[in-house]
Amino acid sequence: GAGVSQSPSNKVTEKGKDVELRCDPISGHTALYWYRQSLGQGLEFLIYFQGNSAPDKSGLPSDRFSAERTGGSVSTLTIQRTQQEDSAVYLCASSFRRGEGTDTQYFGPGTRLTVL
Amino acid sequence: EDKVVQSPLSLVVHEGDTVTLNCSYEVTNFRSLLWYKQEKKAPTFLFMLTSSGIEKKSGRLSSILDKKELFSILNITATQTGDSAIYLCAVPTSGTYKYIFGTGTRLKVLA
Repeated sequence: GAGVSQSPSNKVTEKGKDVELRCDPISGHTALYWYRQSLGQGLEFLIYFQGNSAPDKSGLPSDRFSAERTGGSVSTLTIQRTQQEDSAVYLCASSFRRGEGTDTQYFGPGTRLTVL
Repeated sequence: EDKVVQSPLSLVVHEGDTVTLNCSYEVTNFRSLLWYKQEKKAPTFLFMLTSSGIEKKSGRLSSILDKKELFSILNITATQTGDSAIYLCAVPTSGTYKYIFGTGTRLKVLA
């Protein structure tokens, strides 16, 4: 597609439920990132994929968070047993080359997650 | 610890004013500094800076990096209401693919 797409755009769930967030990167982009942005805060790095592998999972806040990427394209971020503090906008970004710090990341529109 | 600090946190100006946004950083093995504009959800890329003293310009926006003093500025001249947004600064951390973002500067331009 023309840009990074994410679904759903909004998700309201009850505490304790599992949620899956989806990201479709720009075609041909090998690097994919997930970030979280809480109200009034900057972007918090969650995880990075190069192809289908995740060399850096250090940002995942707890073992309730997991992510996978298949076919070097679509990625899903899963949050199990959601808590109210998980409420945030989850942003996905992709870039063309390896994430070596000199690539431009293109962001999707995000998924706003609200945990009641 | 690697970090990025932006100032001011928020700014209110009138159309036509010029603004300067600041981003200071501490990171080992500096590679680049990026500026983004975030109007609703998705940050959009503005500039990537890798070399000191070389101004990057796009219309009324310009940015420059000082690697000695570890900061960058983003200038917006003749501001318009459409410039109202959060401006984010980010640097990749050393040895990883992780980008650290500042908390951003919220700019509001009044008509």
